[in-house]
Amino acid sequence: NAGVMQNPRHLVRRRGQEARLRCSPMKGHSHVYWYRQLPEEGLKFMVYLQKENIIDESGMPKERFSAEFPKEGPSILRIQQVVRGDSAAYFCASSPGQNPDYGYTFGSGTRLTVV
Amino acid sequence: GEDVEQSLFLSVREGDSSVINCTYTDSSSTYLYWYKQEPGAGLQLLTYIFSNMDMKQDQRLTVLLNKKDKHLSLRIADTQTGDSAIYFCAERRGSARQLTFGSGTQLTVLP
Repeated sequence: NAGVMQNPRHLVRRRGQEARLRCSPMKGHSHVYWYRQLPEEGLKFMVYLQKENIIDESGMPKERFSAEFPKEGPSILRIQQVVRGDSAAYFCASSPGQNPDYGYTFGSGTRLTVV
Repeated sequence: GEDVEQSLFLSVREGDSSVINCTYTDSSSTYLYWYKQEPGAGLQLLTYIFSNMDMKQDQRLTVLLNKKDKHLSLRIADTQTGDSAIYFCAERRGSARQLTFGSGTQLTVLP
């Protein structure tokens, strides 16, 4: 059981480019959550998805950020026209469909640096 | 307020006990969690406690919950250098599925 897989581990983008972050949930998990961790801060919730559905995007910035979780393949967090303030670690977590009460399983994160 | 609050730093000597404190915000929080993050790594779930419990013990870890004061603590017995990391508490508010995290406590274990 490979756990939650995120790639790339590190991503460097110039201002104005697009960043695409990928997350493959644990086998058997159908719910995916994206969190952002700014330097020396805790994790902030961004978006919660099930297959082909966005359930809660209350933590997503209104512009430039989007997320999807297609029927086949990984969940993608997409940041268009990146700015320096987007530099952060982005973590994905997954949980089984019914019960997240026992805590989510997190991936190792993608560290985005905007230069 | 809306924040989950933790002190930023804690240093202990190897072999001593560590106590990391957290104040959460929502009296309707159902589950409370402790996560560990080592440098450059993701978050590892250490333990969780349901809101109708006041204590949970798991090997070297003891979680205490004071629901009246909305205070959560994590005690690590016989702290080792491998315990050096950032520890986050998190709450699951009401029926929400996402977690709300504190800013983390950097634990440093001195030899």
